[in-house]
Amino acid sequence: GENVEQHPSTLSVQEGDSAVIKCTYSDSASNYFPWYKQELGKRPQLIIDIRSNVGEKKDQRIAVTLNKTAKHFSLHITETQPEDSAVYFCAASDYKLSFGAGTTVTVRA
Amino acid sequence: EAGVAQSPRYKIIEKRQSVAFWCNPISGHATLYWYQQILGQGPKLLIQFQNNGVVDDSQLPKDRFSAERLKGVDSTLKIQPAKLEDSAVYLCASSPSASGNQETQYFGPGTRLLVL
Repeated sequence: GENVEQHPSTLSVQEGDSAVIKCTYSDSASNYFPWYKQELGKRPQLIIDIRSNVGEKKDQRIAVTLNKTAKHFSLHITETQPEDSAVYFCAASDYKLSFGAGTTVTVRA
Repeated sequence: EAGVAQSPRYKIIEKRQSVAFWCNPISGHATLYWYQQILGQGPKLLIQFQNNGVVDDSQLPKDRFSAERLKGVDSTLKIQPAKLEDSAVYLCASSPSASGNQETQYFGPGTRLLVL
């Protein structure tokens, strides 16, 4: 089955700086890569996703890049704000969604 | 639209007891998922239903876990008997189409289970 590894496990950034989270996956058949944000005690919510026929996707301050050859994808958050503090999960789907272990992002004011 | 509903929100039981969780997906969503999220880890898929049929239950510990989705709407997940390592948040999610895995999954608030 699919194995998704996510780094770093924790990330502390100054407000206004950028944050980058990286994930690798094992199954070359995976073709759908969503990112979920989970605030403390809340449900995971989709923030952005990318499919294998696209190399990059951007939505305001959030962007995701995908390198299918290297089997890795990354989340980029620019101009971080305190409300960006949360746990972020990457995931990859071949026939089912497999999640990474999560990155706890803390934005320091 | 109303989101995915789950109950109870919290449950504390002793090992070897049984427990059941309930999920009501978003109206009209064909696919329903149950995930187990252990503290500090990402969600792990336990079972996936398309309408009222099971698509994937390969990671469901079938000796103690069972799930059903009657009439293709609500679903229940049961653990009997519970073990200490079952302590986790149980998340239910749903997605609109029967194809499932290539589209947004909408998560419920989860049920936090503590087994003593």
